[in-house]
Amino acid sequence: DAGITQSPRYKITETGRQVTLMCHQTWSHSYMFWYRQDLGHGLRLIYYSAAADITDKGEVPDGYVVSRSKTENFPLTLESATRSQTSVYFCASSVTGDGETQYFGPGTRLLVL
Amino acid sequence: QQQVKQSPQSLIVQKGGISIINCAYENTAFDYFPWYQQFPGKGPALLIAIRPDVSEKKEGRFTISFNKSAKQFSLHIMDSQPGDSATYFCAASGTGSARQLTFGSGTQLTVLP
Repeated sequence: DAGITQSPRYKITETGRQVTLMCHQTWSHSYMFWYRQDLGHGLRLIYYSAAADITDKGEVPDGYVVSRSKTENFPLTLESATRSQTSVYFCASSVTGDGETQYFGPGTRLLVL
Repeated sequence: QQQVKQSPQSLIVQKGGISIINCAYENTAFDYFPWYQQFPGKGPALLIAIRPDVSEKKEGRFTISFNKSAKQFSLHIMDSQPGDSATYFCAASGTGSARQLTFGSGTQLTVLP
């Protein structure tokens, strides 16, 4: 039972480069989420998806793009990375989208130089 | 706008002591209040949750106390153990525009042996 996986686990990139963070879940959960975790801010929602081909913005969507062509995958792309996007990124999934029991991946630590 | 305020930012407790973490919310549309536990290098995991129809919920050594009129809720960890050392996040969700989880800023708990 793989659950929810993220890749890469660590990434160093330079300002202006495009970066894609991958998220894969094996539960066939309808909902998937991307959060960023920064000290003092907790977890902030970037984007979420209710199903394949259905995505919506969260609290901090600027500078990020998502897609969901398959239920199990939910990649997050930083189109032109900035230093302010240095963070730990968590993907999560849930059966329903009403906030109940989200299952988190192990995270991707991203450093933008 | 931080809709869920969490305190303290860090907490040090002796083994066997009681750990108390507090959260306050502003949005009266919130009707689900979970706590997530996060160990270093891992994603957050649901610990315990409460709905406002009850004032307290207990699961083992973990208890949520809820005060609807004050718009506050807290996590109590009885007989704290070194294995409880982690970061704890409160969160809230509700209906309509509040449907997605809003997290507090987190509390880093250290339980000394």
